[in-house]
Amino acid sequence: GQNIDQPTEMTATEGAIVQINCTYQTSGFNGLFWYQQHAGEAPTFLSYNVLDGLEEKGRFSSFLSRSKGYSYLLLKELQMKDSASYLCAVRDSNYQLIWGAGTKLIIKP
Amino acid sequence: DVKVTQSSRYLVKRTGEKVFLECVQDMDHENMFWYRQDPGLGLRLIYFSYDVKMKEKGDIPEGYSVSREKKERFSLILESASTNQTSMYLCATTGRDLGGANVLTFGAGSRLTVL
Repeated sequence: GQNIDQPTEMTATEGAIVQINCTYQTSGFNGLFWYQQHAGEAPTFLSYNVLDGLEEKGRFSSFLSRSKGYSYLLLKELQMKDSASYLCAVRDSNYQLIWGAGTKLIIKP
Repeated sequence: DVKVTQSSRYLVKRTGEKVFLECVQDMDHENMFWYRQDPGLGLRLIYFSYDVKMKEKGDIPEGYSVSREKKERFSLILESASTNQTSMYLCATTGRDLGGANVLTFGAGSRLTVL
């Protein structure tokens, strides 16, 4: 079966760095997405990786290793507003999205 | 920016009632999706549509139907609501960014409680 694994919850301190991991087993691979979802709100797109390596967007970076079935989202200089759930999703060979359950990130002052 | 509007943020219905969830997008996108989101589970696709009058089953279509009579509107219908359909329902549409990612844009969600 197809599976996306990510930690259920993580806690970090304001100003610090946190890495949220995502491992996947899917039928084929056509890209990996990270979305951010604040409580009670819609998920919003953060990043997209289709080739191995690091994609940087300001304070957020996303890394992909297709051979290892692994990605991480790196958040630097954490702010209180970064408290949210982070969803990892992989597009399989049929171009269907498989979603992880999300990682709830709690930022403490 | 694409806007995806879901008509109801919160609904409370009784078992057996017919429920309509409406979704409207303003960017002339062909692709529209309905997901449900439950605690501890990833988003699960209920139905999607690639064009007017067209619909495709997702992973969990049982107990649901959809309607796409106009390009901008995609409706999710629960013919006879049951308590196990209590959930957050998310509508989404796709567009392309410069990398061709087909990024999903979501509506704010409709939280349905079935008593």
